[in-house]
Amino acid sequence: DAGVIQSPRHEVTEMGQEVTLRCKPISGHDYLFWYRQTMMRGLELLIYFNNNVPIDDSGMPEDRFSAKMPNASFSTLKIQPSEPRDSAVYFCASSGLDSSGYTFGSGTRLTVV
Amino acid sequence: KQEVTQIPAALSVPEGENLVLNCSFTDSAIYNLQWFRQDPGKGLTSLLLIQSSQREQTSGRLNASLDKSSGRSTLYIAASQPGDSATYLCVTRGGNAGNNRKLIWGLGTSLAVNP
Repeated sequence: DAGVIQSPRHEVTEMGQEVTLRCKPISGHDYLFWYRQTMMRGLELLIYFNNNVPIDDSGMPEDRFSAKMPNASFSTLKIQPSEPRDSAVYFCASSGLDSSGYTFGSGTRLTVV
Repeated sequence: KQEVTQIPAALSVPEGENLVLNCSFTDSAIYNLQWFRQDPGKGLTSLLLIQSSQREQTSGRLNASLDKSSGRSTLYIAASQPGDSATYLCVTRGGNAGNNRKLIWGLGTSLAVNP
């Protein structure tokens, strides 16, 4: 398996623009997580899905953030409109069997100028 | 509320030294504990996963221990190499029905192994 695949690896955008981050989890994993990492706050859970259904979105900072998982092999995290304070590395992770750990993607480094 | 603390925040050692990274957590009702490695500007690589019923896990030069009763885990790295330089993150997964998919992360230990 190629692991968790995220795209793009880097994104630079202007304030106010819409940004869409993409994630392909490991095949067979039924949990998918979106995290944000900054120097100040470390890793923060934004939202997670189980069997494509959002379970907990309490970490989503505000209405400008939205996430979808239309099928078991694809998820998106959208920021509209983007702001400079959204600049961070966004990670996607997936998990399968209850006893298994978590596998992370390589992340998307977002810079909003 | 679970809190995970990693000490030290940064560590610099000469090559070849054996070293211990520490992780402490406040709520012993965990499902498992996982150690990750993160290289600068890169993603997170899982190193070792310890289930709540286990006391330790080993992989190559790495050994992780878990003592739930005292709320501690250690990551032991034997014969350190410059390639071990990275940030090491400890994370717990909740052990109760309402939180068992939530991960609580430490802020990491930044390790530099000098040749």
